[in-house]
Amino acid sequence: ETGVTQSPTHLIKTRGQQVTLRCSSQSGHNTVSWYQQALGQGPQFIFQYYREEENGRGNFPPRFSGLQFPNYSSELNVNALELDDSALYLCASSLPGRRYEQYFGPGTRLTVT
Amino acid sequence: GENVEQHPSTLSVQEGDSAVIKCTYSDSASNYFPWYKQELGKGPQLIIDIRSNVGEKKDQRIAVTLNKTAKHFSLHITETQPEDSAVYFCAATNYNNNDMRFGAGTRLTVKP
Repeated sequence: ETGVTQSPTHLIKTRGQQVTLRCSSQSGHNTVSWYQQALGQGPQFIFQYYREEENGRGNFPPRFSGLQFPNYSSELNVNALELDDSALYLCASSLPGRRYEQYFGPGTRLTVT
Repeated sequence: GENVEQHPSTLSVQEGDSAVIKCTYSDSASNYFPWYKQELGKGPQLIIDIRSNVGEKKDQRIAVTLNKTAKHFSLHITETQPEDSAVYFCAATNYNNNDMRFGAGTRLTVKP
C-alpha cells in the first residue's frame, strides 16, 4: 500500500512569486488536508478537500488556494509569496468517514527569499 | 476555537526509562486526540490515538490517558529506546470538525 506522497521535496522561490505543491493521497483515502509547519512549531491547518470541494479552512488568507482532483490527489497554490510563507507544507489524507484520522506525507520544504 | 498546549518542550531520558508528555485542550467539544511522532526530515507519523469515550489506551510500549473533566491527555512511553528520539506532537479535534489543532511539540532525546 502506497502512503501519502508529495512533490517537490524542496523548493526555493522569490517573494511575490507563485507556487504549486502537489499531494497524492494514500490508497482508498478520499479526503486531503493541508498544513503549514513553521520551524519548531506544530502543523497549522490550512484547508481540507473532500469530493473536490473545500471543506473547511483555517486562518489563512485567500492567496492560499487548493484543488482536489477526481483521483483524490490535491494541489496547494500560494500566490504573492511572502518571506513568512517559508515553511514545511504537509498534506494528510483520510479514509471515507474517518477524516479526523489523518496520515501525513513527508512534506514540501518551501523557502521564500 | 480549540487551543492545545504541550509540555515539556524538551525531554531527555536514559535508555530504558519512561517518558511522559502532557497536553491540555480548551474546547470541551473535542473528542479525538491523536499523537504523532516526527523524525528529522519526515512528516508526522500517527502512533496512537484516543477518543473521548475511553480513558486509556495502550499499544505495546506506548499508552495514552485522557481526563475529559480536566481536559488533559498524556503520552507515556515505557522502556525507551534511542529510536524513540524524535519530536512528538499531540493534537485535538472533533469528529465533525476539519480543523485539527496541534501542540507545539516535545523533542524527546533518549540517551543510550
